[in-house]
Amino acid sequence: AQSVTQPDIHITVSEGASLELRCNYSYGATPYLFWYVQSPGQGLQLLLKYFSGDTLVQGIKGFEAEFKRSQSSFNLRKPSVHWSDAAEYFCAVGPWGGGATNKLIFGTGTLLAVQP
Amino acid sequence: ETGVTQTPRHLVMGMTNKKSLKCEQHLGHNAMYWYKQSAKKPLELMFVYSLEERVENNSVPSRFSPECPNSSHLFLHLHTLQPEDSALYLCASSQGGQGGYEQYFGPGTRLTVT
Repeated sequence: AQSVTQPDIHITVSEGASLELRCNYSYGATPYLFWYVQSPGQGLQLLLKYFSGDTLVQGIKGFEAEFKRSQSSFNLRKPSVHWSDAAEYFCAVGPWGGGATNKLIFGTGTLLAVQP
Repeated sequence: ETGVTQTPRHLVMGMTNKKSLKCEQHLGHNAMYWYKQSAKKPLELMFVYSLEERVENNSVPSRFSPECPNSSHLFLHLHTLQPEDSALYLCASSQGGQGGYEQYFGPGTRLTVT
């Protein structure tokens, strides 16, 4: 069955430090993978997506993610974290369910806190 | 307006009230979704519409009634809600089929049932 696991519920990093958020997935075919960010009281904003091709994808706000098929992982990275990056991050995989809609499976999220 | 908009942003309602949440997408997409996001729980997909036809209803109680009059608008009609229905309700849209699988989300409506 398709699933997404984000092992870290909560992570705290210092401002300026590097960041890696983990995402593991289970999917029967070649997955389409996404990272979203959600600030408090806001909707989810798409950070980046992987469809095919280069396994290292660049996103907005200086984020990147690497698709590793052998490890079923799609970890999100940023070389230097800013205080404004404090938010909740969601990994998603799809599509699933068939039909004309693009349903996604979301992980449970990783809450990132940034220390000054 | 750009992207996906939702109104109202905040709503407080009693258990006997009737209210509606509105979502509008300005992206030319043909699929729309309602999600419920509660504290400490995963994102729950409630309803899916494709080309204005409801294609999924994930065992959502009948006190939630969706409506999709056209491909740009989606409503969620609420009546006789329970306190456990308090949550952030998110609307999303996507281009169905092979047009791309990413979903674009609105800012959400924070619903409090008293």
